[in-house]
Amino acid sequence: GAGVSQSPSNKVTEKGKDVELRCDPISGHTALYWYRQRLGQGLEFLIYFQGNSAPDKSGLPSDRFSAERTGESVSTLTIQRTQQEDSAVYLCASSSEGARPSNEQFFGPGTRLTVL
Amino acid sequence: KNQVEQSPQSLIILEGKNCTLQCNYTVSPFSNLRWYKQDTGRGPVSLTIMTFSENTKSNGRYTATLDADTKQSSLHITASQLSDSASYICVVSAQAGTALIFGKGTTLSVSS
Repeated sequence: GAGVSQSPSNKVTEKGKDVELRCDPISGHTALYWYRQRLGQGLEFLIYFQGNSAPDKSGLPSDRFSAERTGESVSTLTIQRTQQEDSAVYLCASSSEGARPSNEQFFGPGTRLTVL
Repeated sequence: KNQVEQSPQSLIILEGKNCTLQCNYTVSPFSNLRWYKQDTGRGPVSLTIMTFSENTKSNGRYTATLDADTKQSSLHITASQLSDSASYICVVSAQAGTALIFGKGTTLSVSS
């Protein structure tokens, strides 16, 4: 595709439910990133994939958060037993040739998650 | 602690006017600094990227400056247009590691 796509664009769920957020990176991009953006806050790094492996999971806030990537393409971010504090926009980005500081990350439009 | 601070938090200007947004950072060791534009409901889009040795870089009506000694950057927007209304985010990359450090952004509103 032409850019990074994410689905759904909006998700409203009840506290305690599990949610899955999907990211389709730019074709051929080996690196994929997940970020969280709370209202009025800067983006927080969650996890980074190189291929299907996740060498950096340091940003995942708790064991309720997990992510996987398959076929060096699509990635899914799963939040179990959602809490109201999980409400945020979840952004996915991809870049070519791995996570070198000089590589530009291209962002998707994000998924707005609201936990009631 | 690696941090990126932006000011002002928000700004309202009239169409056609110029404005300057500020970014101060404490990231070390420094690799590069980017300015992103984020329209409402969209993901951030890169405007400029500067490394340690670069002092200024332009992209159309956007000009970014970097002073690596004082760890300050600015984004100057010339002859603003209504479409410039967005959040402008300063992002700093360290030499090691995979995480980018994001500022909270400056929300710019351009009115007619």
